[in-house]
Amino acid sequence: SQKIEQNSEALNIQEGKTDTLTCNYTNYSPAYLEWYRQDPGRGPVFLLLIRENEKEKRKERLKVTFDTTLKQSLFHITASQPADSATYLCALDMRRYGQNFVFGPGTRLSVLP
Amino acid sequence: DGGITQSPKYLFRKEGQNVTLSCEQNLNHDAMYWYRQDPGQGLRLIYYSQIVNDFQKGDIAEGYSVSREKKESFPLTVTSAQKNPTAFYLCASSIYDGSSYEQYFGPGTRLTVT
Repeated sequence: SQKIEQNSEALNIQEGKTDTLTCNYTNYSPAYLEWYRQDPGRGPVFLLLIRENEKEKRKERLKVTFDTTLKQSLFHITASQPADSATYLCALDMRRYGQNFVFGPGTRLSVLP
Repeated sequence: DGGITQSPKYLFRKEGQNVTLSCEQNLNHDAMYWYRQDPGQGLRLIYYSQIVNDFQKGDIAEGYSVSREKKESFPLTVTSAQKNPTAFYLCASSIYDGSSYEQYFGPGTRLTVT
């Protein structure tokens, strides 16, 4: 079955810096990949979606890349702010393989002032 | 939280009791999902439903049951057969836009069984 790794359980970064979160998967490439933000005790909120035939997607200070050869997606936050502190989850759409969405364990990002 | 409500936010039960978690959406979405989240793990799919009166088991359905009698509602029952029921439960819904399913999540219910 598909396994997802996200670079680390927790990351600290200084305000104003750019950080990169990684999402690596082991087996089959999904039709598309999504990134969600989750605040403590709350449900995840959708941020960005990138399809298998897309290399890069941007939304305001966020950028996502998708490399099916490396089986990896990178999530970048530029000019980070303390309000960006949250857990970031990646999710893969595996429906074409008879599975559903598979979520990674998440990376807890802390942006320090 | 995107038009999805879950109640209650915190729920406490004694071991051996069944408990039902509520999930309602007013987004007119066809698909609804139940996930379980444990510390350090990704969300795991319990059950999902793509249309009224139809639902399928997810990856960890044992010890859980659902119903989908109305489009807006997808309640989850945690039965006494579920061995480790203490967790954070998330309900989600989605609309199919022709090529992708963006999921909208509720605020979650934290269930503690002692």
